[in-house]
Amino acid sequence: ETGVTQSPTHLIKTRGQQVTLRCSSQSGHNTVSWYQQALGQGPQFIFQYYREEENGRGNFPPRFSGLQFPNYSSELNVNALELDDSALYLCASSLWGKNIQYFGAGTRLSVL
Amino acid sequence: QKEVEQNSGPLSVPEGAIASLNCTYSDRGSQSFFWYRQYSGKSPELIMFIYSNGDKEDGRFTAQLNKASQYVSLLIRDSQPSDSATYLCAVSGTASKLTFGTGTRLQVTL
Repeated sequence: ETGVTQSPTHLIKTRGQQVTLRCSSQSGHNTVSWYQQALGQGPQFIFQYYREEENGRGNFPPRFSGLQFPNYSSELNVNALELDDSALYLCASSLWGKNIQYFGAGTRLSVL
Repeated sequence: QKEVEQNSGPLSVPEGAIASLNCTYSDRGSQSFFWYRQYSGKSPELIMFIYSNGDKEDGRFTAQLNKASQYVSLLIRDSQPSDSATYLCAVSGTASKLTFGTGTRLQVTL
């Protein structure tokens, strides 16, 4: 158990809908990173949040957006869902300046 | 060229043997190197990290780093069936993102 919690665990949406995924970081961690993992692939970096601001973004379109709250928890929002957005979404928490990231259990999103 | 390359496997080793997992990376500015284990249907679990050239040992696991060759490896001694999983290599540079390989699937046979 890493102490990183994600909700929900599974989600089914239809194309064009919007989704919000949530993450609570490990106690003492102030940085949250989000990754997308397609079947058979390694996780791909979406973005990272520190001090409630985006700190680095991977090659994902603007319809992927996020938030970080004062308690360091975070949300990932995806608008206008596409079939290719079906994946395991992983949240990882770490301490700023120490890039040792611990993952939550993930949210499996299916877009039909 | 992929940023982080791993042989997808499967790598099959008998129980009790040493499993050797390899990873190469393209960015010479990479500073931190990680090995994660991922069981089917689960999330990645951090098992080792290494920053400096040489070996780092933790129990049955040894991580090896050679920055000149841009090569990272993970050795698992006395392999157990419970070690059967996909092993993901990840690297990071000055930016804080992790760049992952596609993983090597390890099968430990009885």
